[in-house]
Amino acid sequence: EDQVTQSPEALRLQEGESSSLNCSYTVSGLRGLFWYRQDPGKGPEFLFTLYSAGEEKEKERLKATLTKKESFLHITAPKPEDSATYLCAVLRETSGSRLTFGEGTQLTVNP
Amino acid sequence: KAGVTQTPRYLIKTRGQQVTLSCSPISGHRSVSWYQQTPGQGLQFLFEYFSETQRNKGNFPGRFSGRQFSNSRSEMNVSTLELGDSALYLCASSLAKTGTGELFFGEGSRLTVL
Repeated sequence: EDQVTQSPEALRLQEGESSSLNCSYTVSGLRGLFWYRQDPGKGPEFLFTLYSAGEEKEKERLKATLTKKESFLHITAPKPEDSATYLCAVLRETSGSRLTFGEGTQLTVNP
Repeated sequence: KAGVTQTPRYLIKTRGQQVTLSCSPISGHRSVSWYQQTPGQGLQFLFEYFSETQRNKGNFPGRFSGRQFSNSRSEMNVSTLELGDSALYLCASSLAKTGTGELFFGEGSRLTVL
């Protein structure tokens, strides 16, 4: 059974204080690993897809990386508007578009 | 371009009742997936549809069912509601036929079962 574990569960940062979120996964035949952002009362918003170990993707203050066992979402000099829950999900080769999600990291960035 | 639209946004039901939730995907998207989100379990996959065919089903009891229409709109139904069915039900659409994790989610239908 596919498993995705995210840590920490919650993270509080000061504006400008860089940090990383972790996503550990166990999946048989990884097709891709995905990062989403979810704001309160909204559906998840797609951020990144990573397909193979060593791959990196960047978007504004966010950078996602992938190894064979985990992924990191690095947040550089965060701003209050980066406050959200960040979700990691994996897709198996044989599971169509069925994503297995982690429980997320709730990030709060204080001004 | 309009996003994924889900109706109703909020609803309250009592145990034993049934509920139908509706989802209109982004124009041109023919794949629709449904997820249940709860504080304890996170996001869990319910179904995946493409061209009116169910391509994948999650580990939920038979009380949970869905369908997709020829215009790609989708509905899901939960019969004989239980307290544990209280959740945010999220619909997502994608351009790909299948095999993609790049999904566009709606804002969800929040179901409360009393």
